[in-house]
Amino acid sequence: DAGVIQSPRHEVTEMGQEVTLRCKPISGHDYLFWYRQTMMRGLELLIYFNNNVPIDDSGMPEDRFSAKMPNASFSTLKIQPSEPRDSAVYFCASSLMDGTENEKLFFGSGTQLSVL
Amino acid sequence: AQSVTQPDIHITVSEGASLELRCNYSYGATPYLFWYVQSPGQGLQLLLKYFSGDTLVQGIKGFEAEFKRSQSSFNLRKPSVHWSDAAEYFCAVGEPGGSYIPTFGRGTSLIVHP
Repeated sequence: DAGVIQSPRHEVTEMGQEVTLRCKPISGHDYLFWYRQTMMRGLELLIYFNNNVPIDDSGMPEDRFSAKMPNASFSTLKIQPSEPRDSAVYFCASSLMDGTENEKLFFGSGTQLSVL
Repeated sequence: AQSVTQPDIHITVSEGASLELRCNYSYGATPYLFWYVQSPGQGLQLLLKYFSGDTLVQGIKGFEAEFKRSQSSFNLRKPSVHWSDAAEYFCAVGEPGGSYIPTFGRGTSLIVHP
């Protein structure tokens, strides 16, 4: 498997524009997570899905952020409108929660977002 | 709710020296504990984890960690650091029996001098 695939790797946009980040989890994984990483706040969990259903979105900073998972192999994180304070690295991670000690998160390489 | 503290923001060591990165957690019972490593420009990769049993856990790349219940700690160690170990290290804690979704610490940046 190619691992968790995120696109784009880098995104530069202007304030007010819509930004869409994409993620393809590892095939067969039933959990998908979106994290945001900044120097100030570290690694924050934004939202996670189980079997394509959003379970906990309490980490989503505000209504400008939305996430979807239309099927088991694709998820998006959208910011509309974007603001400079949204600049960060956004990570997608997936996991198979099979109740064993083999459970762990697999992370993508992240999307570096810069909002000017 | 669980939380994890990594008291050191940066650690600098010389190549070949030993390493210990500190991690303290807050949780009412014995949690699941993890160490992840993040190389520059990459996502996080699991180094090792503790679920139960032997409190000394061996991981990849020559790392080990010891769970000490009395100190609520899960410190990461390596006897001899290589220049390629320079990275960001994250400790994480998860709730057994629950969703186990890990809560991450702020990370410790390891700098290795030649």
